[in-house]
Amino acid sequence: SQQGEEDPQALSIQEGENATMNCSYKTSINNLQWYRQNSGRGLVHLILIRSNEREKHSGRLRVTLDTSKKSSSLLITASRAADTASYFCATDGGGNTPLVFGKGTRLSVIA
Amino acid sequence: SQTIHQWPATLVQPVGSPLSLECTVEGTSNPNLYWYRQAAGRGLQLLFYSVGIGQISSEVPQNLSASRPQDRQFILSSKKLLLSDSGFYLCAGPREGANVLTFGAGSRLTVL
Repeated sequence: SQQGEEDPQALSIQEGENATMNCSYKTSINNLQWYRQNSGRGLVHLILIRSNEREKHSGRLRVTLDTSKKSSSLLITASRAADTASYFCATDGGGNTPLVFGKGTRLSVIA
Repeated sequence: SQTIHQWPATLVQPVGSPLSLECTVEGTSNPNLYWYRQAAGRGLQLLFYSVGIGQISSEVPQNLSASRPQDRQFILSSKKLLLSDSGFYLCAGPREGANVLTFGAGSRLTVL
């Protein structure tokens, strides 16, 4: 079943601007992950945030997690044309359960 | 580090024909392996996952089946393809020590 739901479905910004994508989920999680997918390729893991963490940074990426609202956001600062891709959140319910992915946000960064 | 290989990369098949997509894993042993399908412009749907040789869990009833004949091999099959089987199929396995997935490059299937 689909757990994460990203918002917006599509986002178009100018190079240099920040991009914010949101993810909502329904059940309790062990951690939440964000992945990136270039067109026609496999997904690449970007960052993982555990359920007891509220914010995490990796380079130009900033992820927040609010377990009370069951939501997460991914912020890409100072975007570049090369950031153009689809971004997916995935929830890990713990144990040996498979990750469940949302439908993704398609980001277009215009040079 | 773990590498996921998938083939073929692209496949065009007529309705009613059989299908076999292969996935092999390098750099790890006894991994959990996953098959996902991605329809055009949509998210990933988990089809099958396997925790070991001969052990397959199916997430959705459908026209497809999966097998795990060897520790590092995961195969997706169909006896008779439907138009609705068209999509982008992704094999994935976890990185060592974490439930973080490494994906193959994908296999794009078009059923005509």
